[in-house]
Amino acid sequence: NAGVTQTPKFRILKIGQSMTLQCTQDMNHNYMYWYRQDPGMGLKLIYYSVGAGITDKGEVPNGYNVSRSTTEDFPLRLELAAPSQTSVYFCASSRNRDVQADTQYFGPGTRLTVL
Amino acid sequence: AQTVTQSQPEMSVQEAETVTLSCTYDTSESDYYLFWYKQPPSRQMILVIRQEAYKQQNATENRFSVNFQKAAKSFSLKISDSQLGDAAMYFCASGQGGSEKLVFGKGTKLTVNP
Repeated sequence: NAGVTQTPKFRILKIGQSMTLQCTQDMNHNYMYWYRQDPGMGLKLIYYSVGAGITDKGEVPNGYNVSRSTTEDFPLRLELAAPSQTSVYFCASSRNRDVQADTQYFGPGTRLTVL
Repeated sequence: AQTVTQSQPEMSVQEAETVTLSCTYDTSESDYYLFWYKQPPSRQMILVIRQEAYKQQNATENRFSVNFQKAAKSFSLKISDSQLGDAAMYFCASGQGGSEKLVFGKGTKLTVNP
């Protein structure tokens, strides 16, 4: 049981490049989330998914896209990388929807730098 | 909108001593939940403790306990018998009942001195 895994761990992009951050969970959780953590700040929600085929925007969705074709995978896509997207990205999952019912489990994060 | 404030960017404690990390929050909801997450240098976010707002009793998990003051909207974390492995960033977070969204504070960096 690996929990939530993320790849890559580190990545450097040039402005305008695209990339996909991968996230996989093996806990059969319905809910998955993407957060970003800027230096000296807490985490902010980018997108979340309540199940395969269903996604919704969080607090800071601009510049990102997501898809959820399976229960296990929730990739985050950056189409035109900008320096403002330099951050650490965390994927998380939970069994149920609300914080009342369950805890969010986090992956180890991806450190992305856009130059 | 919910907000979470951690006013201590950094704290330090001697090994085996006790330290308290502060957190205040603001919400207009009556059904909400509070959390402390630990983020060690590995960057993994680990849940330390959670508190349901409707419960008056303070949550405890081994050496970790909270002081939940609902009227003051305060939610501090006490770490007893501090260990070197407790060194990490600690984030306070709140969530609204019926919602999947968590709001995080900026974090407190805890150093444990041997």
